[in-house]
Amino acid sequence: DIQMTQSPSSLSASVGDRVTITCQASQDINNYLNWYQQKPGKTPKLLISDASNLETGVPSRFSGSGSGTDFTFTISSLQPEDIATYYCQQYDYVPRTFGQGTKVEIK
Amino acid sequence: QVQLQESGPGLVKPSQTLSLTCTVSGVSISSAGSYWTWLRQHPGKGLEYIGYLSYSGKTYHNPSLKSRLTISGDTSNNQFSLKLSSVTAADTAVYYCAREFSGYNYAWFDLWGQGTLVTVSS
Repeated sequence: DIQMTQSPSSLSASVGDRVTITCQASQDINNYLNWYQQKPGKTPKLLISDASNLETGVPSRFSGSGSGTDFTFTISSLQPEDIATYYCQQYDYVPRTFGQGTKVEIK
Repeated sequence: QVQLQESGPGLVKPSQTLSLTCTVSGVSISSAGSYWTWLRQHPGKGLEYIGYLSYSGKTYHNPSLKSRLTISGDTSNNQFSLKLSSVTAADTAVYYCAREFSGYNYAWFDLWGQGTLVTVSS
């Protein structure tokens, strides 16, 4: 299985801060990486596909980059409604695998 | 409106079989590009991929669970199901059914059931 190593596991930042999450794959997955947002008690919501493609309706403060094995997810200006856990997920191989998640909190 | 709804017991005894069904409405499970997937999330943990039923009837079972796992479909009722045998406390989790929509160079989980907590306990 492809191991997805996501860091940090949690972070606390102030409103307006830039937040960066990294995700590293155990082998080359090309650009086949999605980012999801999961709010408490809710199902995951797709934010970014193909490593950097912002889904329709997702605010532009969210962005993704990277290829191969190293990927980054950024919130350019953290908002209170961004409180959630964020997951990376590879879709180059089956079984699909997810990072362990990054819980984002407001300081 | 497309909906996925999990159903099944919320409590299963150790060594017994966990059985869940996902009823899909608003889209056919035979819809091209659709991979009807089971995932689970242990309390406070990340997401684990269990397996899928494809739109063409093919199934995939995660090798980590393969000896205990059966995924099947019922096109007449637009449902797909999960059976996990010989359960232990480690199988306690929220179980989700979801659709992975997949094509040549894209794949994402776009539809989700609300999830159902299954507890393994005597």
